[in-house]
Amino acid sequence: EAQVTQNPRYLITVTGKKLTVTCSQNMNHEYMSWYRQDPGLGLRQIYYSMNVEVTDKGDVPEGYKVSRKEKRNFPLILESPSPNQTSLYFCASSFEAGVSLETQYFGPGTRLLVL
Amino acid sequence: QKEVEQNSGPLSVPEGAIASLNCTYSDRGSQSFFWYRQYSGKSPELIMFIYSNGDKEDGRFTAQLNKASQYVSLLIRDSQPSDSATYLCAVGGFKTIFGAGTRLFVKA
Repeated sequence: EAQVTQNPRYLITVTGKKLTVTCSQNMNHEYMSWYRQDPGLGLRQIYYSMNVEVTDKGDVPEGYKVSRKEKRNFPLILESPSPNQTSLYFCASSFEAGVSLETQYFGPGTRLLVL
Repeated sequence: QKEVEQNSGPLSVPEGAIASLNCTYSDRGSQSFFWYRQYSGKSPELIMFIYSNGDKEDGRFTAQLNKASQYVSLLIRDSQPSDSATYLCAVGGFKTIFGAGTRLFVKA
């Protein structure tokens, strides 16, 4: 089944404790992206990757790191989480089509609470 | 700062009516426009994308794009209670900007 998977789905942590949220897709998509969703603010893009070893900042990259060492995986790293990073996180992937993107397929989401 | 604006709603329509959802965007150079639907507690899923001015129809859904006026809209004909969800407008390509979404309620 074609899908984007994220782990963990739910996470409660404390300020300053490094964490990684994994994202994996099995559709051979070149493009992957991370978003956070907060009430009233919609989805905001954190980072995106157009291919292996190619990443770029979205609108809200501060406090996050990413890496793209393999085509299928795009982990999101919070080196020192803070309470303002409490949010619902979505990973997405897409097949590129020339200068544009096809639809983005979203993972199930990771709900993070930073105490 | 590039922006995508949507009326947050909620928009309430009776079953069988036409629901009209609107979105404006600030980046005049934008080329790709998407409408996603998100049910409560679920991931966004694509309804339609549109790249050219004019209308694009897919079943009960019609997307309309007017680049000169920088707006994109989504019409849902014969609205059903199962259409009740939040509708997200997204603009751009590799760097995607989403609106905050419009909540739609379809009353049976």
